Amino acid sequence: EVQLVESGGGLVQPGGSLRLSCAASGFTVSSNYMSWVRQAPGKGLEWVSVIYSGGSTYYADSVKGRFTISRDNSKNTLYLQMNSLRAEDTAVYYCARDKRHYYYMDVWGKGTTVTVSS
Amino acid sequence: QSVLTQPPSVSGAPGQRVTISCTGSSSNIGAGFDVHWYQQLPGTAPKLLIYGNSNRPSGVPDRFSGSKSGTSASLAITGLQAEDEADYYCQSYDSSLSGRVFGGGTKLTVL
Repeated sequence: EVQLVESGGGLVQPGGSLRLSCAASGFTVSSNYMSWVRQAPGKGLEWVSVIYSGGSTYYADSVKGRFTISRDNSKNTLYLQMNSLRAEDTAVYYCARDKRHYYYMDVWGKGTTVTVSS
Repeated sequence: QSVLTQPPSVSGAPGQRVTISCTGSSSNIGAGFDVHWYQQLPGTAPKLLIYGNSNRPSGVPDRFSGSKSGTSASLAITGLQAEDEADYYCQSYDSSLSGRVFGGGTKLTVL
């Protein structure tokens, strides 16, 4: 069964760091495009970042320079390193399999919650 | 302010037909990039509903259909059911932003 399970969310102070993980099963992360999408409380979906199968990475302007997407092929796991966190980064973070060349997300995890507050 | 514009809410009675619009610009929908739609039931993760403007993944009822024209797209739901009450999001790619973009979402209420 194709599945994504996020972990690593929690409460962090402004300016702090957090690393989210997304463990995949049923398919190979490194052969696919993988995205992170977030949803602030009561708000809509916001695309955050993508890593292509070839390793290229892209970010939304709102997180560029603060967040880093990466993967561990041996663990079949996707990561999102989040630094210099701000209150506006508070959200549920979803990882998703991003359909290569077509730009849509066909498999989603259940999400992990990040709260940035003092 | 989302790159793609959707109405905040729509409503309809059971059995009726509703449509949700998604308006973009020349750097996304108008540039030829496909539009995709997601359904998010309360308290759950988004689910792919329509991909490539009008294609349904396996398991999605044919009551759901999508179309695209110019810089806009639409999601139509016929034979409205109570279980269709959810938030719906359109999504595309924007060449000027070099990234995926979402609409602000539309809350569907089944009366």
